[in-house]
Amino acid sequence: QKEVEQNSGPLSVPEGAIASLNCTYSDRGSQSFFWYRQYSGKSPELIMSIYSNGDKEDGRFTAQLNNASQYVSLLIRDSQPSDSATYLCAVNSGNQFYFGTGTSLTVIP
Amino acid sequence: DTGVSQNPRHKITKRGQNVTFRCDPISEHNRLYWYRQTLGQGPEFLTYFQNEAQLEKSRLLSDRFSAERPKGSFSTLEIQRTEQGDSAMYLCASSFFQDQGGFFGPGTRLTVL
Repeated sequence: QKEVEQNSGPLSVPEGAIASLNCTYSDRGSQSFFWYRQYSGKSPELIMSIYSNGDKEDGRFTAQLNNASQYVSLLIRDSQPSDSATYLCAVNSGNQFYFGTGTSLTVIP
Repeated sequence: DTGVSQNPRHKITKRGQNVTFRCDPISEHNRLYWYRQTLGQGPEFLTYFQNEAQLEKSRLLSDRFSAERPKGSFSTLEIQRTEQGDSAMYLCASSFFQDQGGFFGPGTRLTVL
């Protein structure tokens, strides 16, 4: 079983809609969770981190953590074409970070 | 520029040759990570340094790979006797706190012919 699993997509949403990205993880001891955005040909860029159960909002982004279900999600409100990218979920377990394979998001103008 | 830098940005080598990459982290960051990423995959953890100490190394990492961070500042990743399967983007990330998440450099793209 992979440490971190994501639906690879592609996920397409119209401009202005809410994009919902999901991630599950296997290590119940994990305490830190991250969402990265990666544009084609570029390196990952940290956009959100969450450390406790519940929701965390930052601008148009909301990260949600459910420890009991071992589930992390990212909501992007008012999606813009510039949000089109691959979104990577990462989990900190001990001294290592485990990444999912990423979900490709396309926002259609 | 105060971000993470990596050199070279691209490296083409022949199978069997040795290659070395350099990473300069954000100056106040004491944690440094190396990852490898292939097309369609997320970054795969290779190794982790806290200051000059290498505290974690992936069990999947071949003995041909070695990394150093001699003075707790920049780091080097060496691959000996390269194989075509080593072709990938090699990413470096740094952070100050363990649970901070890493800030990535631009990567070094390795092509092994």
